[in-house]
Amino acid sequence: SNELTQPPSVSVSPGQTASISCSGDQLGDKYISWYQQKPGQSPVVVIYQDKKRPSGIPERFSGSNSGNTATLTISGTQTMDEADYYCQLWGSSTVVFGGGTKLTVL
Amino acid sequence: QVQLQESGPGLVKPSETLSLTCTVSGASINFYYWSWIRQPPGKGLEWIGSIYYSGSTNYNPSLKSRLTISLDTANNRFSLRQSSVTAADTAVYYCARLNRGVAGTDAFDVWGLGTMVTVSS
Repeated sequence: SNELTQPPSVSVSPGQTASISCSGDQLGDKYISWYQQKPGQSPVVVIYQDKKRPSGIPERFSGSNSGNTATLTISGTQTMDEADYYCQLWGSSTVVFGGGTKLTVL
Repeated sequence: QVQLQESGPGLVKPSETLSLTCTVSGASINFYYWSWIRQPPGKGLEWIGSIYYSGSTNYNPSLKSRLTISLDTANNRFSLRQSSVTAADTAVYYCARLNRGVAGTDAFDVWGLGTMVTVSS
């Protein structure tokens, strides 16, 4: 199965570390990407190939992927990081997105 | 700088065919996978399908029977046709570049701004 499961919401205080999980069958065998989407905007890739950051993405964004779980970690979370986050994989010639996690910074 | 721009009707009647075009600027369409993704109001992202520059296609199995994605290399654009639409197809439709391959990122690295399509009589 290529279903990806994310928690609907995560809350974090400014300056603390936020972790968003993405679970699926044998996820560690596949590449995971993570997208940030702010209200009214198109998604932006913040992590690709499990742990790589595109140019322009702050170092506080990091990723890992092992076993059945991939994790997006935001260190020193800022208020500007409040957004929806989606994990995504390419598997069996199809693309799957997780259901999304709303990150609240308060 | 690569840019994608969706265009097409914002209102489609039930049972009719939704048609959208994505114009690519700043890069040739003759590389990469070119994709359609949609997002119903207040909901998450759903991949619709992708087309490789060679013309081969991959579709979301749940939508496949209603979909056609095609390339127009002469005009550097690609298109989506989705037949027999219902209210459940109401969404923001995005076009995006999927950067796969040996030197790729395996991610959607360029997105259009999205276009809202409402299915209603």
